[in-house]
Amino acid sequence: RKEVEQDPGPFNVPEGATVAFNCTYSNSASQSFFWYRQDCRKEPKLLMSVYSSGNEDGRFTAQLNRASQYISLLIRDSKLSDSATYLCVVGAGKSTFGDGTTLTVKP
Amino acid sequence: NAGVTQTPKFQVLKTGQSMTLQCAQDMNHEYMSWYRQDPGMGLRLIHYSVGAGITDQGEVPNGYNVSRSTTEDFPLRLLSAAPSQTSVYFCASRNSYSTDTQYFGPGTRLTVL
Repeated sequence: RKEVEQDPGPFNVPEGATVAFNCTYSNSASQSFFWYRQDCRKEPKLLMSVYSSGNEDGRFTAQLNRASQYISLLIRDSKLSDSATYLCVVGAGKSTFGDGTTLTVKP
Repeated sequence: NAGVTQTPKFQVLKTGQSMTLQCAQDMNHEYMSWYRQDPGMGLRLIHYSVGAGITDQGEVPNGYNVSRSTTEDFPLRLLSAAPSQTSVYFCASRNSYSTDTQYFGPGTRLTVL
């Protein structure tokens, strides 16, 4: 079993849709969780950190469920520019990346 | 600030050749890492460093060496290139072990024939 597993993609949604990604992790001692965005053939960039109480940044909401060992990312009112691969990352030191979920937002 | 820079952007090697991928950051970050990303997969940690003179292995260290003589530079050496090392290599830095944001370089696309 992989340490970090993400929803298999791809997700194809129309503009304005709400889409949610889940990610499970195996190390119950993990303390740090993040979502990164990666555009085609480019470097990953931090989208948002995930805090125990959940956090929101505009149209993006991240949640952490320690009991079930999963994190989620919700994107509301999807835009064409949200099309990218979203990487779930666990750990701040020796970070472990999920394989990513590809989102395509269509007109 | 230039952030994290990597050279070269592209490289083609023959099996058995050696080379060094360069990584530099101008943000005075202590923590630096090297990752590889194979098609359709996430990033896997090769080696990392928590400061000048200190390095450690990540998930996939075999076939690679690193050194950290300065805070700014963290080169990755391929000892004897193999086709299985064909990948995109990303260098990243952060300003402490527990800081949220990793800043990534633009990547080096390596092909081994």
